[in-house]
Amino acid sequence: AQSVTQLGSHVSVSEGALVLLRCNYSSSVPPYLFWYVQYPNQGLQLLLKYTSAATLVKGINGFEAEFKKSETSFHLTKPSAHMSDAAEYFCAVSGANDMRFGAGTRLTVKP
Amino acid sequence: DTAVSQTPKYLVTQMGNDKSIKCEQNLGHDTMYWYKQDSKKFLKIMFSYNNKELIINETVPNRFSPKSPDKAHLNLHINSLELGDSAVYFCASSQDAGGGELFFGEGSRLTVL
Repeated sequence: AQSVTQLGSHVSVSEGALVLLRCNYSSSVPPYLFWYVQYPNQGLQLLLKYTSAATLVKGINGFEAEFKKSETSFHLTKPSAHMSDAAEYFCAVSGANDMRFGAGTRLTVKP
Repeated sequence: DTAVSQTPKYLVTQMGNDKSIKCEQNLGHDTMYWYKQDSKKFLKIMFSYNNKELIINETVPNRFSPKSPDKAHLNLHINSLELGDSAVYFCASSQDAGGGELFFGEGSRLTVL
């Protein structure tokens, strides 16, 4: 079965610093991978997705992620954090009939 | 226009009661889902319907009964509510069941007292 593991339940960065949120996947077939963001009291919003085209995927709000098959990773990065990036971030892998999510990483941005 | 809409947004009820949450999507998608998000933000799939047919039924108590009258609607009825049912329930939809992006509703926060 396909699954994802997010390393670090909580990441704290200063405004303007690099954001790095880690995700590793487990899949017996080439995976479709996603990053979603959840702001307080809201639903999940897609940041970006990997569907076996380019390994470096650019998303909304300046985020990007790189698919590395050798490391089974799909880490999310942003060069410079903004206060508005504070939220819960979920990595996900798409299976045959559903999508499975990681446990989430809460990003805190300090002024 | 809200793509995936759920009602109600909040429910507060007593143990033992029955409640329903409604979901509608106007995206023309074939597949709809219910996810449960617990207090630690963990998201777990409960059900998946493709063109009104149940395709996923995870290990969910049979007190939970989904119903899809048409492919644009997926409702969730919960009987004999328990304290452990308190969570945020998210409805989502996708173009089909083949692994594409999910579009989520805003969630329905259920509190069982």
